[in-house]
Amino acid sequence: QVQLQQSGPGLVKPSQTLSLSCAISGDSVSSNSAAWNWIRQSPSRGLEWLGRTYYRSNWYSDYAVSVKSRITINPDTSKNQFSLQLNSVTPEDTAVYYCVRDLGALAFDYWGQGTLVTVSS
Amino acid sequence: DIQMTQSPSTLSASVGDRVTITCRASQSFSTWLAWYQQKPGKAPKLLIYKASSLESGVPSRFSGSGSGTEFTLTISSLQPDDFATYYCQQYNDYPWTFGQGTKVEIK
Repeated sequence: QVQLQQSGPGLVKPSQTLSLSCAISGDSVSSNSAAWNWIRQSPSRGLEWLGRTYYRSNWYSDYAVSVKSRITINPDTSKNQFSLQLNSVTPEDTAVYYCVRDLGALAFDYWGQGTLVTVSS
Repeated sequence: DIQMTQSPSTLSASVGDRVTITCRASQSFSTWLAWYQQKPGKAPKLLIYKASSLESGVPSRFSGSGSGTEFTLTISSLQPDDFATYYCQQYNDYPWTFGQGTKVEIK
């Protein structure tokens, strides 16, 4: 059974960096069939896919254009986890953030518990 | 980006009712569509992938169909546990995008 456990602060000041981690159990961040995503949800923007990282002989990342200049998603093979960094945050980045696995054709099958991140001074 | 539009936004129904939710895409694609159920304070749960494939462990009263620009989620006989918000999601083209949600309420 795959489990994704999120960690990170729930409050970030404007202009600072939002950082979250997602620890994986029951699968490997280096899997050749999985990809590891971050998705956020807010009343104003709904569910928004932010980006993903995956391993296919090399490491790759894909990002949504809306956040591409501010986002980094990195794997950490030593801890079997992956992370999200979102720079220069504003109150519009306030949302519940989820880490999510996808197996390609099987869509988003496992989700973390969600972390409410509030951007406020 | 492919825009996903769900209808209705809210649906009032009774236990035992047959319920259908529609998802329309701004561009045509074949089968890379998923449906999720979300309850308050919880992460979305995958119900259907590839438009019509039932995720393991999901009751058979849930079914999906469609291709092109119109897709449907049907609940054949609504149960008390099914009152929730439902989202469609396309994974045909980046960025993956979601519908705005359909809330199924008790009538």
